[in-house]
Amino acid sequence: SAVISQKPSRDICQRGTSLTIQCQVDSQVTMMFWYRQQPGQSLTLIATANQGSEATYESGFVIDKFPISRPNLTFSTLTVSNMSPEDSSIYLCSVGTGRGTEQFFGPGTRLTVL
Amino acid sequence: AQSVTQLDSQVPVFEEAPVELRCNYSSSVSVYLFWYVQYPNQGLQLLLKYLSGSTLVKGINGFEAEFNKSQTSFHLRKPSVHISDTAEYFCAVISGGSYIPTFGRGTSLIVHP
Repeated sequence: SAVISQKPSRDICQRGTSLTIQCQVDSQVTMMFWYRQQPGQSLTLIATANQGSEATYESGFVIDKFPISRPNLTFSTLTVSNMSPEDSSIYLCSVGTGRGTEQFFGPGTRLTVL
Repeated sequence: AQSVTQLDSQVPVFEEAPVELRCNYSSSVSVYLFWYVQYPNQGLQLLLKYLSGSTLVKGINGFEAEFNKSQTSFHLRKPSVHISDTAEYFCAVISGGSYIPTFGRGTSLIVHP
């Protein structure tokens, strides 16, 4: 298993601004992921954070809006840029240990955009 | 593409009663199946998983699930629920050689005293 922490745990932001969310893992992992969970909805994968290369984005998500960094095997950041109220959501970081195995999730960052 | 259907968005139940949360998936190829629980203001925690072998899987907190390949289902059960089981439950499926799960929309289990 892996222990994952996220910062901040929650934030309230003004529209047009940007927020960077940090994800720290207590061990080196190959796969890190960023999800969005909108109110009352399931999880939607934003992107896979690749160490040493550009993130792989899912359909509907673009790098300009959600830039991701992965400088090493234990840390990643997700930035939500030029925020609007529609970006209000829970953002979750997770790690995977291999094909066909479970993911371990961080506690989430609860973002409210006014 | 893989899809996961959780038939009930909300399941209210009284404490100490049994409960079943339903999950059906679309893929006909080999699958790995998971149930996660999300307590209020927390991230997701793995309850149990089916990778292979016995179709009846036991997890944490007294939960169990049964893999039914012919019905493409993976229903979650608990014989007697507690107030502390009130949470959101997500079914997830990984199919083929993927490492990215598809999640259901979630079922809110509400346990009343």
